[in-house]
Amino acid sequence: EPEVTQTPSHQVTQMGQEVILRCVPISNHLYFYWYRQILGQKVEFLVSFYNNEISEKSEIFDDQFSVERPDGSNFTLKIRSTKLEDSAMYFCASSGTTGWASGANVLTFGAGSRLTVL
Amino acid sequence: KQEVTQIPAALSVPEGENLVLNCSFTDSAIYNLQWFRQDPGKGLTSLLLIQSSQREQTSGRLNASLDKSSGRSTLYIAASQPGDSATYLCAVRQGTDKLIFGTGTRLQVFP
Repeated sequence: EPEVTQTPSHQVTQMGQEVILRCVPISNHLYFYWYRQILGQKVEFLVSFYNNEISEKSEIFDDQFSVERPDGSNFTLKIRSTKLEDSAMYFCASSGTTGWASGANVLTFGAGSRLTVL
Repeated sequence: KQEVTQIPAALSVPEGENLVLNCSFTDSAIYNLQWFRQDPGKGLTSLLLIQSSQREQTSGRLNASLDKSSGRSTLYIAASQPGDSATYLCAVRQGTDKLIFGTGTRLQVFP
């Protein structure tokens, strides 16, 4: 069964450092997402990406964050200057369609990248 | 602002029991509702997706219902097994790209 692959599975970084989290979505999917889950809290939407641009972003997704699809297969989340509160599990997801296109937009999530900021 | 709540927060049952997990949302204007399973330290696995026009969806021992007007969904798990132990999340999609997740129900099924 096709899956979304995320690397690294766990990254430890010092506050202020830049981090890049990588994702390989399912190959024929067109819509890509990042979510995060701080330990003990809800899963929260960060950003959605379609046709090489951001289609929606949350208030969390400020100038510190950026996303890119550099080569047609990878989808990356960059955090420019990490803060302690960025420590979380970051999930990448992809779907073949989106809500208003057909309604059948099942998201497939990756296993997550755990980011620990010290 | 849409709020999604799940009860109970945690549930521990013996193997073989039939279970009902509840999800409620404050704004009934949704496109769909999705149930996920989350295993410790792992990603989210989609279990069932119910469109706003549907009343229920079934997959194996799982049945999810949706009552949009009352802002409720239930996930019914028949004949629970220890392998069903996980956190179950519901999430709604409105007229935007994002899913809004609930608080989760942590389920433990013991032999």
